[in-house]
Amino acid sequence: NAGVTQTPKFQVLKTGQSMTLQCAQDMNHNSMYWYRQDPGMGLRLIYYSASEGTTDKGEVPNGYNVSRLNKREFSLRLESAAPSQTSVYFCASNLGGGTEAFFGQGTRLTVV
Amino acid sequence: KQEVTQIPAALSVPEGENLVLNCSFTDSAIYNLQWFRQDPGKGLTSLLLIQSSQREQTSGRLNASLDKSSGRSTLYIAASQPGDSATYLCSSRDDKIIFGKGTRLHILP
Repeated sequence: NAGVTQTPKFQVLKTGQSMTLQCAQDMNHNSMYWYRQDPGMGLRLIYYSASEGTTDKGEVPNGYNVSRLNKREFSLRLESAAPSQTSVYFCASNLGGGTEAFFGQGTRLTVV
Repeated sequence: KQEVTQIPAALSVPEGENLVLNCSFTDSAIYNLQWFRQDPGKGLTSLLLIQSSQREQTSGRLNASLDKSSGRSTLYIAASQPGDSATYLCSSRDDKIIFGKGTRLHILP
């Protein structure tokens, strides 16, 4: 089982460039999430999708957009990257309710 | 707005000791509380999940408890080993999953 797969694993962008981080899960989960992790800040929720067709803002949505393409895939887009968006990004999913959450291995993004 | 706090931020203990990590949350209307482990530069590994109707869960040397009324959870690690050194994160779930900032644990050989 692949679980939650994130691509790419590493990326370097120049300020102002755009890119899309991809996330896919093969567990038929309803809910999907995007987080960023910065030193000393823990994991902060950027956006989440409680079910296919819905998306909601988390704690730190500014500078990001998301698309829940179908039940399997949830992408995160940076339209104009800034150095403050240098971080490690994690995607997660769960079935919903009180079920266990599963995480991808992360995307390490550097904006120069 | 749910807030999750973990104390202490860092902890060093000699090998073999039992230890307790603390997690508190402000809104008791949660579906579950989940503990994770994260090694440096790696992703999150799920350790224990406690449903809102449960009081505790055990896996090997790990035991997690949940007290919704007081907004607290603890992770108890028995007979600590150097391999337990990692950052431990707790998360609560209502309509979204919110994390604490973690406790960095260092087990001294």
